[in-house]
Amino acid sequence: AAGVIQSPRHLIKEKRETATLKCYPIPRHDTVYWYQQGPGQDPQFLISFYEKMQSDKGSIPDRFSAQQFSDYHSELNMSSLELGDSALYFCASSSTGNYGYTFGSGTRLTVV
Amino acid sequence: QKEVEQNSGPLSVPEGAIASLNCTYSDRGSQSFFWYRQYSGKSPELIMSIYSNGDKEDGRFTAQLNKASQYVSLLIRDSQPSDSATYLCAVKPLNNNDMRFGAGTRLTVKP
Repeated sequence: AAGVIQSPRHLIKEKRETATLKCYPIPRHDTVYWYQQGPGQDPQFLISFYEKMQSDKGSIPDRFSAQQFSDYHSELNMSSLELGDSALYFCASSSTGNYGYTFGSGTRLTVV
Repeated sequence: QKEVEQNSGPLSVPEGAIASLNCTYSDRGSQSFFWYRQYSGKSPELIMSIYSNGDKEDGRFTAQLNKASQYVSLLIRDSQPSDSATYLCAVKPLNNNDMRFGAGTRLTVKP
């Protein structure tokens, strides 16, 4: 079965650079979520989209932005990167209802 | 106070024993509750969901929910070394579509 696809798997950037993370949800899933997980931390909700519209916003810094495109894939754009942005970034998708999410394999971002 | 609280552990049990993982949540109106397993450096994997009070069993896993006490637990019977992972409790609040995670409990099953 198709899963949530994230790219790239690993990314190394320097401070003050920008990064773009991509997420392709499971077909027919209408909601996409972005989470940030620092070392030894629980996943922190960043932002979500329902049917290509932003639905909820969590602890996403102003330096970050995200959008969902007509084909339902989503991109997380991160600018002015800081060392503290180094983390695993997970995308998850779900269909409407009280169902759990399916997570992608994540993108490991390292800012040096 | 965090919205979802878990004992961070580590919790260590011998192979074949029952592992008991606990979670409390603050939003009394929450309706959906999930347990995820996460191996180091990997993405969380959904292993159990529960929506109503009582027990729900799936193989070696049993989820228990008590909404009055705002408490949800996960029991793992006949624990195996391959169960060694961090277990994340997740709660979907009533008025939000996003999920709130606990900090996770690290479980080690010793052969």
